[in-house]
Amino acid sequence: NAGVTQTPKFRILKIGQSMTLQCTQDMNHNYMYWYRQDPGMGLKLIYYSVGAGITDKGEVPNGYNVSRSTTEDFPLRLELAAPSQTSVYFCASSSGNNLGWDNSPLHFGNGTRLTVT
Amino acid sequence: AQTVTQSQPEMSVQEAETVTLSCTYDTSESNYYLFWYKQPPSRQMILVIRQEAYKQQNATENRFSVNFQKAAKSFSLKISDSQLGDTAMYFCAFMKQTYGGATNKLIFGTGTLLAVQP
Repeated sequence: NAGVTQTPKFRILKIGQSMTLQCTQDMNHNYMYWYRQDPGMGLKLIYYSVGAGITDKGEVPNGYNVSRSTTEDFPLRLELAAPSQTSVYFCASSSGNNLGWDNSPLHFGNGTRLTVT
Repeated sequence: AQTVTQSQPEMSVQEAETVTLSCTYDTSESNYYLFWYKQPPSRQMILVIRQEAYKQQNATENRFSVNFQKAAKSFSLKISDSQLGDTAMYFCAFMKQTYGGATNKLIFGTGTLLAVQP
């Protein structure tokens, strides 16, 4: 199993450009998440998905969009990049459990470092 | 809303010694999980240890143990026999316990950068 795979590892964008951060997992997890990590800060949730076709906003969704057309993939889209979006972006997944009190720990990708200048 | 506070931005410890990282949290929930994640320079997020709030016994994983004080809302991490490979950022995280398809959202503290000195 590759786990959670994020591409690219690094990217530099100019203000106003757009790009998509890719995330795929091969663990058949229902739940997927996008977090951003700013210097000296913890991770903040941007968007999450509980299954294919279902997405919802987290704490800091402005400036981003997501889609979940398959269980495996959860891309994050930046439409008009701004310097405030300079950050490290983490994708994560978890199995969850619809049958009971099972909160599996999240499995993280290795992150994408994005710089907007 | 839940919050997680780590009041030690940086800490240093000599190799083979013991260090304790602090974490406090605020919640009105009675059922939840607490985690410590390690982030080495490679940026990978690695789960170190996990504690269920309903369990009174403190979790232990080899050299890592926690001191969970539910009434005080405190969740500290003790690293014994520190090794150079323990050098990393450590994040405390909170997760509300969910049931029946709800999401597993983690709320993170701001992290403690631990340096293990040779």
